[in-house]
This record gives sequence, structure tokens and C-alpha cells, in this order.
Amino acid sequence: AQSVTQLGSHVSVSEGALVLLRCNYSSSVPPYLFWYVQYPNQGLQLLLKYTTGATLVKGINGFEAEFKKSETSFHLTKPSAHMSDAAEYFCAVRDSLQGAQKLVFGQGTRLTINP
Amino acid sequence: DTGVSQNPRHKITKRGQNVTFRCDPISEHNRLYWYRQTLGQGPEFLTYFQNEAQLEKSRLLSDRFSAERPKGSFSTLEIQRTEQGDSAMYLCASRPPGISVYGYTFGSGTRLTVV
Repeated sequence: AQSVTQLGSHVSVSEGALVLLRCNYSSSVPPYLFWYVQYPNQGLQLLLKYTTGATLVKGINGFEAEFKKSETSFHLTKPSAHMSDAAEYFCAVRDSLQGAQKLVFGQGTRLTINP
Repeated sequence: DTGVSQNPRHKITKRGQNVTFRCDPISEHNRLYWYRQTLGQGPEFLTYFQNEAQLEKSRLLSDRFSAERPKGSFSTLEIQRTEQGDSAMYLCASRPPGISVYGYTFGSGTRLTVV
């Protein structure tokens, strides 16, 4: 079964510092990988996704992620944190090639930005 | 149509009461998902519709839960005889037909509190 592990339930960085949120996945099929952001009492907003092709994926709000098959990782980065980046971030993997193709989510990482 | 719409945004109910939530997907999206998110956790899959057919249900979906999607448009999720453990955010997502490289668009969710 597919699974996602997000290392670190809480990450705190200073404004302007590098943001690195870690995601490792397990998948028996070619993975489609996603990062979502969730603000308090809101739904999930897609930041970026990897399906096929270029392994470095750029998303909204200056975020990017690199798919590394050999490391089964899909870490999310942003060069310079902004106060508005404070939120919960979820990594997800598609569970199958057919059928529902539902997403399997990690436990989430809460990002705090210090002024 | 700008996104996935969920109503109500918040619902407080007494234990033992029935509740119903509604999801209106993006109009051209034929695939619809329900997820449940408890505090501090990632979303967990509940059920999947393709058009009006409910094709997959999670073991999380007990007999007290029922979902429908009449005419393949909006969907409803009903919980009968609510329990305190049902307190969670219920998220709806939709996807268009065709190739699966598209992301999953989530609604803002319905937060249920059972008292």
C-alpha cells in the first residue's frame, strides 16, 4: 500500500530563511506526488504536483519540490520564508493507476515563521 | 464556477442527531471524493464517486455514514446517530474526466462538532 511520511510535525524558521519540509513516500506504482497547504479552518490548496517529466517542480507562492526516485523523496522548499507562509503543509501520493486513484496523505507539517 | 463548494461550513450537533453535508464540485468534474480530517492529522479517504456511481468506500465509512451523488452533480454525506468521534473536518474534492495528471481540487470543508 502507498504511504507518505512527513519528517517533523512542526518546523519553525525565521522570516527570510530557507524553508525545507521533508516528504518520503512508498509507492508500488509510478508515483504522482502532491503538496497541499491548509490555512486554519480552510480546505486544501494545491501548491504543486509531480506527475511525469521534469523532476524539479515549481509551484505557487515561490515553492518548489524535487522528485528523487532513488531516495523516494519529494521535499518542499522555498528560498525565503514570508510570514504568510505560516500554515499546515501536506504531502500526498496517488494510491493507484486505476480505480479511484485517491490520494494518501502524510500527517502534515505545521510551519511557523518567526519575525 | 470557481471551485468546489461545501455547505455548511460549520455544524454543531448533539450526539445522536443526524447531519447532512453537501458538496458541489466543479461543473465539468465527474469524479468526486470525500475525505475526513481529524485534528492534527492528514485527510483520510472516505468514498469515491464517478458520475453518479459510488465506486469505492473506505472501511472508515461505518454503517452510520451514507453518501449519494444523484445525477452525477452535487453529493451529500449523511451521518446518522452522530458520535463524539465523528467530530472532524469533512472535505470534498473533485477531478475532471480523462487522464489523471490533473490535481484534485478541494473545497473549504465542513467542520462538524458533536457535543
